Amino acid sequence: AQKITQTQPGMFVQEKEAVTLDCTYDTSDPSYGLFWYKQPSSGEMIFLIYQGSYDQQNATEGRYSLNFQKARKSANLVISASQLGDSAMYFCAMREAGGNQFYFGTGTSLTVIP
Amino acid sequence: GAVVSQHPSRVICKSGTSVKIECRSLDFQATTMFWYRQFPKKSLMLMATSNEGSKATYEQGVEKDKFLINHASLTLSTLTVTSAHPEDSSFYICSAPGVGGHYGYTFGSGTRLTVV
Repeated sequence: AQKITQTQPGMFVQEKEAVTLDCTYDTSDPSYGLFWYKQPSSGEMIFLIYQGSYDQQNATEGRYSLNFQKARKSANLVISASQLGDSAMYFCAMREAGGNQFYFGTGTSLTVIP
Repeated sequence: GAVVSQHPSRVICKSGTSVKIECRSLDFQATTMFWYRQFPKKSLMLMATSNEGSKATYEQGVEKDKFLINHASLTLSTLTVTSAHPEDSSFYICSAPGVGGHYGYTFGSGTRLTVV
């Protein structure tokens, strides 16, 4: 079974609007971390936001927030006030406390329209 | 913050030659380095895990003799693509367990390999 599922291969959003990128995960480990990375066309992986499985509140980092619904095993990324520079690939990832490996989703290509 | 410096960023080589990719951890010691391969518009696939002072651990399906990984010191890990062929053309990226304020990994900037 897929550890991380991103069902949106491509998304479009109008500049200054908010957008939600979906991510669901699968694990039996009670302790895990969820991450979102941005990958622009240049290729580097840019860390955006982290959510721990025991965190009571949803993580926020500037314009990025993570809508963490533990019972549904979802960790959607919300980008508010989209900017043209937000156009990139976005990857959801998970690391289980019992292991060292990072599991990545297949990514969502976000295009911000002026 | 922690930085992983990856070189070269781009390389073009002829079929049959070998290419070495270096990842250096700056200002921190990386006892472990993860090597990923990424095809266009696809996710990152873990190829192998290198550990300083011991043999690398390869994922299923990854040819050990083609992708030689060496972790020579606490700050340097290398991936050598031996006898490269066009199908080895890809984006390779390394990462080390993060330090500092979050629990993620620090990624190198990636190497785009083209074999002609």
